[in-house]
Amino acid sequence: EDQVTQSPEALRLQEGESSSLNCSYTVSGLRGLFWYRQDPGKGPEFLFTLYSAGEEKEKERLKATLTKKESFLHITAPKPEDSATYLCAVTSRGNTGKLIFGQGTTLQVKP
Amino acid sequence: NAGVTQTPKFQVLKTGQSMTLQCAQDMNHEYMSWYRQDPGMGLRLIHYSVGAGITDQGEVPNGYNVSRSTTEDFPLRLLSAAPSQTSVYFCASTQGRGGPGGFRDTQYFGPGTRLTVL
Repeated sequence: EDQVTQSPEALRLQEGESSSLNCSYTVSGLRGLFWYRQDPGKGPEFLFTLYSAGEEKEKERLKATLTKKESFLHITAPKPEDSATYLCAVTSRGNTGKLIFGQGTTLQVKP
Repeated sequence: NAGVTQTPKFQVLKTGQSMTLQCAQDMNHEYMSWYRQDPGMGLRLIHYSVGAGITDQGEVPNGYNVSRSTTEDFPLRLLSAAPSQTSVYFCASTQGRGGPGGFRDTQYFGPGTRLTVL
């Protein structure tokens, strides 16, 4: 059974304090790993897709990396506007087209 | 483009009532899906469709029906609402038939419908 676990559940940072969010996954043949951002009361917003171990993608202060067992979302010098819940999801060859989500990490960045 | 739209934004039902949550997209996407989001449970797939006339079950399909008569619309029906169906519901679409993970795989989510069943 495909599973995704995110840690920590909540993270508080000071503005400018860099950190990383973790997404551990167990799948039968990874097809893609996705990161989304979700603001309160809104739908998830797509950030990145990673397909194979060693792949990295960047967008502004965010950088996503992927290994065979986990993915990290690195946040460099965060700003208060980066405060949100970050969701990780996977799709596998055994579950084509179906996303399995983790529970999310809620990030709060204080000025 | 309006993207993915959902109506209503909020709804309160009594146990046993029926209703339809509407979802529409104007991006000519082939793949559409419904999720529910509950505290501590994350987003869970209810039903999905890879094109007009084709639907399939996701992780938590019981108590929900779907149909896809057009490319644009993918309504979710609750035939007899139960308190366990209190949740936030999200509709999403992806350009390719393969859905997320396939070619051209960015999945766009709607703003959500917050449903309370008393």
